[in-house]
Amino acid sequence: GQQLNQSPQSMFIQEGEDVSMNCTSSSIFNTWLWYKQEPGEGPVLLIALYKAGELTSNGRLTAQFGITRKDSFLNISASIPSDVGIYFCAGANFGNEKLTFGTGTRLTIIP
Amino acid sequence: DAGVTQSPTHLIKTRGQHVTLRCSPISGHKSVSWYQQVLGQGPQFIFQYYEKEERGRGNFPDRFSARQFPNYSSELNVNALLLGDSALYLCASSVAGGDTQYFGPGTRLTVL
Repeated sequence: GQQLNQSPQSMFIQEGEDVSMNCTSSSIFNTWLWYKQEPGEGPVLLIALYKAGELTSNGRLTAQFGITRKDSFLNISASIPSDVGIYFCAGANFGNEKLTFGTGTRLTIIP
Repeated sequence: DAGVTQSPTHLIKTRGQHVTLRCSPISGHKSVSWYQQVLGQGPQFIFQYYEKEERGRGNFPDRFSARQFPNYSSELNVNALLLGDSALYLCASSVAGGDTQYFGPGTRLTVL
């Protein structure tokens, strides 16, 4: 099945650093979502974006809905150990029931 | 409030067997979706049900089926299991189906 392209595939950073990751699609979505998944758990919703150009924050997390509606970006400021996990983007369209997920970005924090 | 719950947590089956996975949505949510997540990949959409009706189906063979009950809980059934069916099966609920989906912890299925 289709998966959105996420980059980078993995990141190794030190605590306190800022993180940026992005997600691109060949097709348009009118909703973008960012989820975080930890080992053995289901994805947890972090941020939802509903309008092209929208910039939304949730604590240290900031996400943007790309103007073209084919991409989205997630930034994490001042990373902490509990930020470790796999971050997935997901696209959806109103009236279309399925979420199309990205390939994931694995974040590791080096002590 | 309780989140999405799934049972069982883990399951081991052999090829050719049948499996039933169960999901209870968040209270007040009327839509349930099922996703398959193979190790190292993002979740792939299997089904969505709303008010007991199938509203969407992903690119999965007919061995996969699901249903939703009057209390909005749901079952995913997989027949004639293959090794490639080994995955984490995730259930997500939403208020009405076209809105934000919240995921359960998943059922880890291993097919030997």
